[in-house]
Amino acid sequence: GAVVSQHPSWVICKSGTSVKIECRSLDFQATTMFWYRQFPKQSLMLMATSNEGSKATYEQGVEKDKFLINHASLTLSTLTVTSAHPEDSSFYICSARDPSGRAEGTQYFGPGTRLLVL
Amino acid sequence: AQSVTQLGSHVSVSEGALVLLRCNYSSSVPPYLFWYVQYPNQGLQLLLKYTSAATLVKGINGFEAEFKKSETSFHLTKPSAHMSDAAEYFCAVAQGTASKLTFGTGTRLQVTL
Repeated sequence: GAVVSQHPSWVICKSGTSVKIECRSLDFQATTMFWYRQFPKQSLMLMATSNEGSKATYEQGVEKDKFLINHASLTLSTLTVTSAHPEDSSFYICSARDPSGRAEGTQYFGPGTRLLVL
Repeated sequence: AQSVTQLGSHVSVSEGALVLLRCNYSSSVPPYLFWYVQYPNQGLQLLLKYTSAATLVKGINGFEAEFKKSETSFHLTKPSAHMSDAAEYFCAVAQGTASKLTFGTGTRLQVTL
């Protein structure tokens, strides 16, 4: 149980294009999902908290118009990197919080999406 | 406010030796504590978690961690390292089930023959 998927697992795009990354909770309903960014050999940096049916909450320094987050259902959140530039190249990881009693709010992570902007 | 400090960005042990990865936390309220493992080019996998129940927590793959409030620590141990344990390990703290996670900087575990 508690499986989170991400799609795509990797993507290469040209500078100026937009890229959408999907995050799905496969066996539980997640009212809250999180988007992280990880640079090589570094820890995870929280970008935003995504709540189903409402606007995402962005961390300080993260451009909300650059990183569009949509959480339209209890099992799906999407991150769109708009007008991507080479500095947006990174490893993006999502997580979903399982609110059920057994999970006690534990976050389960997706496998990550590696984005390379040329 | 909450924070996590992982002492040692890189730990190397021999196969069969004890694994000890250190984590100290700071939290203004009773914390929830987690250990995650990350293999190359993959997401994070939950190893174990402490959520105010038993202070000695057993996780997957033979790992366990002990919550010590007096030392504000949550060190991860495994009696006998296996080559497959080589990975990056992250300690994280939250201030409740609805709180966001704060991660440590990670410890890379190397297992040698």
